[in-house]
Parts: sequence; structure tokens; C-alpha cells
Amino acid sequence: QSVLTQPPSVSAAPGQKVTISCSGSSSNIGNNYVSWYQQLPGTAPKLLIYDNNKRPSGIPDRFSGSKSGTSATLGITGLQTGDEADYYCGTWDSSLSALFGTGTKVTVL
Amino acid sequence: QVQLVESGGGLVKPGGSLRLSCAASGFTFSDYYMSWIRQAPGKGLEWVSYISSSGSTIYYADSVKGRFTISRDNAKNSLYLQMNSLRAEDTAVYYCARVQLSEGYYFDYWGQGTLVTVSS
Repeated sequence: QSVLTQPPSVSAAPGQKVTISCSGSSSNIGNNYVSWYQQLPGTAPKLLIYDNNKRPSGIPDRFSGSKSGTSATLGITGLQTGDEADYYCGTWDSSLSALFGTGTKVTVL
Repeated sequence: QVQLVESGGGLVKPGGSLRLSCAASGFTFSDYYMSWIRQAPGKGLEWVSYISSSGSTIYYADSVKGRFTISRDNAKNSLYLQMNSLRAEDTAVYYCARVQLSEGYYFDYWGQGTLVTVSS
């Protein structure tokens, strides 16, 4: 059972914006940086955001991340059909274990 | 370019053992922490273990502690996961991933995964 809670699904029309929340606690998100991963159907996860809000090279600025207190948020603007995927937040806890969120499926209507 | 290629997955009976390997290329393997992460069919990601660049520091998830052993051979650019006393709930795709440190730790490159099925 993951201790990082995400909504099971979000959806929007092409071109619209979606946000995905990731809720944790002071022992994980509250005291650590957050990363986000995109998993397209049938593929391995891919890093989207690290250090709460930084994008690796090659990741478009349509993807953004933020963190406040014990929660983090991933935003996707200008939604495209190619964005349909599962998205996971990640962080670490005070016992130096890595944690992942429950995952959110993004559907483009 | 960074490449991580897992191998060694397959079908094993409950109580059996399996050894996974991850061949790394495209970067200086001995400079990086490495990790194993798994994903049960239709489920989310679950961190399994990580190992420091030298192999001196190792952590495991409680779900595999005492049954799984992570190791590495920097001369061979390879990461391993020895899995013993396997259970049905260990059935998953196992990914190796490189651990990167900036302000925080994160997994910047992932392999394609290898499927482990535990069933009688």
C-alpha cells in the first residue's frame, strides 16, 4: 500500500489542462523532493519532473511540477492524445526508502 | 546514450529462486547508485532495493527484506538481484533504474523490464 495518494484518473479534452495531485506526509514529501514519471502503455516509466519542478532535457514545458507542504502537483497543459498514460509521483521517506504514488491514469477525451 | 537492459526473468515455482541481471552502458556505472523497482500486473510501481556506487550501502523494501539480495559488479557494469523464497505476490515486471542526485534523489533512466512470474 503506497503512502502517496493520487487520484485514480483524470481526463480532459485535447488542448485543455489537467492537474494530478500527490498527497503524502511530513515524513516523505514534507521533507524531500518530488519527482514525476510518465508510463505510456506497455512501456517503462520515464522521468518527467525532478526536484519538485525541474524538467529533464527533452521534456516539453507543457509539463510542470510544484510542491507545497506535504503535497505535490503535476500539471499538463495543451493536452495531446500522446499524453494518455499513467503518471506516478515519487519521493523518499525518513528511512531512506523510495516511495511511489498510487498512480493516475490520464485520458484525453 | 544511457542503456539499461534487464534479463533473467521467467516462470518459477513458489519457494524457488531467480537471479536478475541489468547490463548498463553509456555512462560510468561505478559513479551511480542503482535500484530495482517492480510493477505487478495492472498495478503501480513499487521500489524494491537500491545499492550505492561502491556497493557498501544497501536498502530494501520491507516486503523483500531477508529474501532478496542486491549486488553489483562495477568491472562488468552490471547490477543483480538475487531473489529467494519467491511468493506469488512477487510476480511483477522488474525494472532496473539509475539513481540520480540533484537537490533530491530520483530515477533518471529505466530499463525495459523483465517479467518474473511465480506460479505452481
